[in-house]
Amino acid sequence: HLHLQESGPGLVKPSETLSLTCTVSGGSISTTNYYWGWIRQPPGKGLEWIGSVHYSGSTYYNPSLKSRVTISVDTSENQFSLKLRSVTAADTAVYYCARLGVEVPAAPYYSDCWGQGTLVTVSS
Amino acid sequence: QTVVTQEPSFSVSPGGTVTLTCGFNSGSVSPNYYPSWYRQTPGQPPRTLMYSTNTRSSGVPDRFSGSILGNKAALTITGAQADDESDYYCMLYMGSGTWVFGGGTKLTVL
Repeated sequence: HLHLQESGPGLVKPSETLSLTCTVSGGSISTTNYYWGWIRQPPGKGLEWIGSVHYSGSTYYNPSLKSRVTISVDTSENQFSLKLRSVTAADTAVYYCARLGVEVPAAPYYSDCWGQGTLVTVSS
Repeated sequence: QTVVTQEPSFSVSPGGTVTLTCGFNSGSVSPNYYPSWYRQTPGQPPRTLMYSTNTRSSGVPDRFSGSILGNKAALTITGAQADDESDYYCMLYMGSGTWVFGGGTKLTVL
């Protein structure tokens, strides 16, 4: 049974870099037909796709965040990571990691597994 | 900028039928966008309901169905129950490894 778990600091100062890691267990991150993504949800608001990474290292970002985001993968640790630079209070959110299928018909472009989420607050 | 629209809120009576929709600010939603639907209750991560327009995720009852209605993706709930009260989000695949979420619909059952 696949399990995703986010980890990282719950408090980040304005202008600094938010760093989170998602550890994948119960399955390999090195699968061709899945991307591994980050999604966030500000308090009381909706979901926002941040970006995704393939185990090969290919990355895809939300255009609105692209200038501040880096997502990377560590296949030896079965983990992938998010870095968001120059954060402000608007980046306060619950951050989820998720698996996203990218192969039709086996795993057609949706998220079939989510982590529990971790709240990151940006405040001095 | 692509904006995916959903009704901010909807109300349905117990036992009733409700259809939530997912559209674009410009253009039509088609199966080529692989619309998927998620439900979320407070404090919990989203749970997958539907993918590829009309394929139910494992364990989702057949009271939930997906379709394309006109130029939008749609999620229909028949025989609404109290525990269907949730936030519902659609997500569209925009190609080139990118996705967009709708703003979500808060469904009330009363």
